[in-house]
Amino acid sequence: NAGVMQNPRHLVRRRGQEARLRCSPMKGHSHVYWYRQLPEEGLKFMVYLQKENIIDESGMPKERFSAEFPKEGPSILRIQQVVRGDSAAYFCASQEGMNTEAFFGQGTRLTVV
Amino acid sequence: QQQVKQSPQSLIVQKGGIPIINCAYENTAFDYFPWYQQFPGKGPALLIAIRPDVSEKKEGRFTISFNKSAKQFSLHIMDSQPGDSATYFCAATSHGSSNTGKLIFGQGTTLQVKP
Repeated sequence: NAGVMQNPRHLVRRRGQEARLRCSPMKGHSHVYWYRQLPEEGLKFMVYLQKENIIDESGMPKERFSAEFPKEGPSILRIQQVVRGDSAAYFCASQEGMNTEAFFGQGTRLTVV
Repeated sequence: QQQVKQSPQSLIVQKGGIPIINCAYENTAFDYFPWYQQFPGKGPALLIAIRPDVSEKKEGRFTISFNKSAKQFSLHIMDSQPGDSATYFCAATSHGSSNTGKLIFGQGTTLQVKP
């Protein structure tokens, strides 16, 4: 059983471009959480999705950020018109259920130049 | 109220020492407290977790002590080894029906174990 797969592992974008981060949960998991880790800081919750539904987006910035988890395919975190402050590691965690163990992917390290 | 405060920020011990990392929380609705270990360039991996109905939990060389009245919990690493050098995060969440299971993380502790 493959773990949580995130791609790309590293992403470089120029200011104003769009960034798309993908997360494939573990087999049998239908709950996906996205977290952001700024340098020298802990992880901060961004959004929680189940298949085709956003359940909790209380940690998402109101502008430029969006997330989806379609019926088929990976979950995608999309950042439009990136700025330098978006540079961070973005981690996805998948869970079998809402109150079960979270398994993290290796993250996507976004650098905005 | 959603914060989890972790200390120290960094810690250096000799091989065989017992590093202790502390966390404190405010939200009394939290009922699940996991610790994660993160190596450079990797994602966090669950190390050990505790619920507030017990005061201590051991798994191998790792022990969590939990003080419900003080709203504090700590991680002890017995007989620490250089391979334990990593960043450690405490976290908290509520598994109640009104919560969505999101984890609230502490700021992290970078541990270095010297040979």
